[in-house]
Amino acid sequence: AQSVTQLDSHVSVSEGTPVLLRCNYSSSYSPSLFWYVQHPNKGLQLLLKYTSAATLVKGINGFEAEFKKSETSFHLTKPSAHMSDAAEYFCVVTVSYNTDKLIFGTGTRLQVFP
Amino acid sequence: DAMVIQNPRYQVTQFGKPVTLSCSQTLNHNVMYWYQQKSSQAPKLLFHYYDKDFNNEADTPDNFQSRRPNTSFCFLDIRSPGLGDAAMYLCATSPRTQPQHFGDGTRLSIL
Repeated sequence: AQSVTQLDSHVSVSEGTPVLLRCNYSSSYSPSLFWYVQHPNKGLQLLLKYTSAATLVKGINGFEAEFKKSETSFHLTKPSAHMSDAAEYFCVVTVSYNTDKLIFGTGTRLQVFP
Repeated sequence: DAMVIQNPRYQVTQFGKPVTLSCSQTLNHNVMYWYQQKSSQAPKLLFHYYDKDFNNEADTPDNFQSRRPNTSFCFLDIRSPGLGDAAMYLCATSPRTQPQHFGDGTRLSIL
């Protein structure tokens, strides 16, 4: 069975400092992994996706994530936080080779202080 | 520019009064999804369509139904809303085996 664990429910950083949002996955096959961001009262926006190509994935707004099979991790990073990055972030894994169904982590709320 | 459009953005209904939420897309994706998202929780899949093939999640209440009259439109019908159905409802679309694109959701309140 597939599952995903987001290790932090809340992360707080100062503007201009690095961001690290942690995600571990469990999958019985080679997974597809995604990070989505959700701003208040908005839908989810795809930040980046891993689908068995390069292990370091670059996304929008300066975010990137590294797929580490040995650690079953897919952590999201950004070198320098911006106030507009404050949002809820979801790590997501697909149920099977068919990406019609997604399994969501519980989310990490990122706060950015000036 | 919006690609997945949900109307209305905010909906208020009375306890037990049927309500319909709508979703339209300009992406021509063949898969459409409805999610329920409660406060501080991840989205929960209610059902999805692959073209006209309807796929209901096992734990979706019978109170929730859906219609997809054509590729572009999909509706969520809640026959007799209870207080526990107050939530954000998200529509998403995707081509097969590709990431999903989400609308901005409809926030449903029950009086």
